[in-house]
Amino acid sequence: GAVVSQHPSWVICKSGTSVKIECRSLDFQATTMFWYRQFPKQSLMLMATSNEGSKATYEQGVEKDKFLINHASLTLSTLTVTSAHPEDSSFYICSARGDRGLYGYTFGSGTRLTVV
Amino acid sequence: GEDVEQSLFLSVREGDSSVINCTYTDSSSTYLYWYKQEPGAGLQLLTYIFSNMDMKQDQRLTVLLNKKDKHLSLRIADTQTGDSAIYFCAGTGGGADGLTFGKGTHLIIQP
Repeated sequence: GAVVSQHPSWVICKSGTSVKIECRSLDFQATTMFWYRQFPKQSLMLMATSNEGSKATYEQGVEKDKFLINHASLTLSTLTVTSAHPEDSSFYICSARGDRGLYGYTFGSGTRLTVV
Repeated sequence: GEDVEQSLFLSVREGDSSVINCTYTDSSSTYLYWYKQEPGAGLQLLTYIFSNMDMKQDQRLTVLLNKKDKHLSLRIADTQTGDSAIYFCAGTGGGADGLTFGKGTHLIIQP
């Protein structure tokens, strides 16, 4: 089956620094990748959608300058949280969709970001 | 946009069947999904149903879809302790084809 690898699993960073999270599709080409954010005991909220080689589409209320998304290849998308603040602490999960229909909605294992 | 609602908790005895319910608003969702999330982990796709189907069975899992009432359910037969997790239903209908998730149902298994 389809596998999406997300790294790192957890990261602690200082306020004001930037953190990059990687999402890779291991055995299929991900034409579209999605980034979600999940607060404790809450649902997943879609942050942005990225298509390979084009700019990401951000959901309303998501700051595109703070959450930089790059989808440079068909197997890799990155989310960079710039100038992180404690309120950015959350669980971030990526999802990839390829040209194999259902397998596109395959999720990574998530990244727990803690900003101190 | 799509709105997906689920009850927050369900408690069942080990060996009984669990039925997790979900309602949604966007009838144009092509697929409806059930995901399982264990503590600190990502989402595991359990099953899905195409919008023109009424029922789908996959081993211990049975999905029922009532399109008229926009109601989706997941039945887990012979519930085991390993089934303890949060279960999310989701549909397409979010921005740019991203999934819209319910708040998740925390399934609690009593011995």
